[in-house]
Amino acid sequence: SQQGEEDPQALSIQEGENATMNCSYKTSINNLQWYRQNSGRGLVHLILIRSNEREKHSGRLRVTLDTSKKSSSLLITASRAADTASYFCAPQGGSEKLVFGKGTKLTVNP
Amino acid sequence: DVKVTQSSRYLVKRTGEKVFLECVQDMDHENMFWYRQDPGLGLRLIYFSYDVKMKEKGDIPEGYSVSREKKERFSLILESASTNQTSMYLCASSSLFGYTFGSGTRLTVV
Repeated sequence: SQQGEEDPQALSIQEGENATMNCSYKTSINNLQWYRQNSGRGLVHLILIRSNEREKHSGRLRVTLDTSKKSSSLLITASRAADTASYFCAPQGGSEKLVFGKGTKLTVNP
Repeated sequence: DVKVTQSSRYLVKRTGEKVFLECVQDMDHENMFWYRQDPGLGLRLIYFSYDVKMKEKGDIPEGYSVSREKKERFSLILESASTNQTSMYLCASSSLFGYTFGSGTRLTVV
């Protein structure tokens, strides 16, 4: 199992703006997952993108994956105050285990 | 809706006590996990289980044990609680589509 590294560590934007978070990893993967964690709660699975996919959408979320650069990005469009949370990426290779990084802390100001 | 339920949201225990944290999933998942989350350290894997009566150590198993007697239940045991085990504990189960987390148990050891 391997750990993804999210960047930036913290991001503060105004409501209505777009938020972009990046993730880098080191070795080949089967898929990469993004999770959200509201303060003091468990993580919520947002989206899974497989290694043979380049882009995936879910509502206001857009995830891209570039396996040649070993990187992924999560874009939240038209952000809302309710999007304030920490966001984690989790690259998954041959193991069932996921190793989580420290996440990106997103603050959306009303 | 699929669920992972952790028995307590908040727990206060005394040093030296034996503490049981319970986790139940209703999705018939084979894989279950226990993480702890601390500020600045992110999520760290304590133990995981691929099947009933099967367990494997994660990255920080010292001071903990686990029990999986039934597929739906994965218990984390603190044999003799210490103050450095004060933390947020997160349980998860997984499928091919990703992890489902419980809401977390915030344990304080005094």
